Amino acid sequence: GEDVEQSLFLSVREGDSSVINCTYTDSSSTYLYWYKQEPGAGLQLLTYIFSNMDMKQDQRLTVLLNKKDKHLSLRIADTQTGDSAIYFCAETPNSGYSTLTFGKGTMLLVSP
Amino acid sequence: NAGVTQTPKFQVLKTGQSMTLQCAQDMNHEYMSWYRQDPGMGLRLIHYSVGAGITDQGEVPNGYNVSRSTTEDFPLRLLSAAPSQTSVYFCASRSGIVGTGELFFGEGSRLTVL
Repeated sequence: GEDVEQSLFLSVREGDSSVINCTYTDSSSTYLYWYKQEPGAGLQLLTYIFSNMDMKQDQRLTVLLNKKDKHLSLRIADTQTGDSAIYFCAETPNSGYSTLTFGKGTMLLVSP
Repeated sequence: NAGVTQTPKFQVLKTGQSMTLQCAQDMNHEYMSWYRQDPGMGLRLIHYSVGAGITDQGEVPNGYNVSRSTTEDFPLRLLSAAPSQTSVYFCASRSGIVGTGELFFGEGSRLTVL
């Protein structure tokens, strides 16, 4: 079946780098996504990577994709207290394009 | 620039009551879906639709009904609410045109069943 796995919690100090890891099962996923959910809000797309890429950088965010190991990571450089949120990894499931399969989410807590 | 709009934002029900969570999108998206979010469980797909008149079950469909009479609207009905349906519900939509496939979410509806 389709499953996306993430660690549930990460705590870092302000200014450090944060790395959130994810493993996925569907090797046919065209895109892989990172969504961010702030307290009391819906999910918003943070970044995505096309499956034929190994790395994507967007300001403080770096996404690494290892297709062989089906491993996706999100690195946040110079983490700020405003980065405290839940981060979800997601893939397009093999069953169809109409929706996404999400991991359980990683809660990132940034302390001053 | 509304995007995906969900109502109500908060609701308290008694066991056995019925209600409908409303969802509307103004982006002309073909695909719409409902998720529930529970602590430690992440997002689980309830029902989804690939276009007007077409719906299908997701991972946790029991106790919920949906319909899609228009492209814009995708209501979720709870027929006889149970405490296990206490959750945060998210509606989402996605374009059917092949692209980045971004899923757009509403702000959520927080439901408590007593």
